[in-house]
Amino acid sequence: EDQVTQSPEALRLQEGESSSLNCSYTVSGLRGLFWYRQDPGKGPEFLFTLYSAGEEKEKERLKATLTKKESFLHITAPKPEDSATYLCAAIPRGSSNTGKLIFGQGTTLQVKP
Amino acid sequence: NAGVTQTPKFRILKIGQSMTLQCAQDMNHNYMYWYRQDPGMGLKLIYYSVGAGITDKGEVPNGYNVSRSTTEDFPLRLELAAPSQTSVYFCASSLTGGSNQPQHFGDGTRLSIL
Repeated sequence: EDQVTQSPEALRLQEGESSSLNCSYTVSGLRGLFWYRQDPGKGPEFLFTLYSAGEEKEKERLKATLTKKESFLHITAPKPEDSATYLCAAIPRGSSNTGKLIFGQGTTLQVKP
Repeated sequence: NAGVTQTPKFRILKIGQSMTLQCAQDMNHNYMYWYRQDPGMGLKLIYYSVGAGITDKGEVPNGYNVSRSTTEDFPLRLELAAPSQTSVYFCASSLTGGSNQPQHFGDGTRLSIL
């Protein structure tokens, strides 16, 4: 069964304290791994897509990486405005024509000033 | 550009009532999706559509119905509301179903069944 698991469920950081969020996946023939950011009361907002092991993508203080079993979202010197829930989602081979995503439970990040 | 628009934003229903959650997109996307998000459970796919006139079940379709008569609109119908359907509902769209096309989400409808 295709599955995506995120850890930790919640993370509290001080401003400037770098850390990483984990997304482990068990998916038949990964076609893409997505990262989204979700603010309270809003819908998920697209951040990155990763396609193959070894790939990295960056946006401001965020860097996403991918291995054959997991993806990491590294947050460097976070600011309070980085506080949000971060979701990862995978497209397995069988869903490559339908776009059906398998989501993890999310990691809620709080960055304190 | 409005993107994906969902209405209403909030709704309280009584058990057994019916309602339709509206979703519209103005990006000329072919693919549209309905998800529900429960605390600590991530997003679960309810129904999806790959184009006007074509719909299919997702992971948790029971108690819901959809239709897709136009490219722009993808309403979700609850026929006999049950407390288990209390959730936040998100609509999303993408140009294609390919992994190079991220889904764009609306801001959700928060639904309580009492």
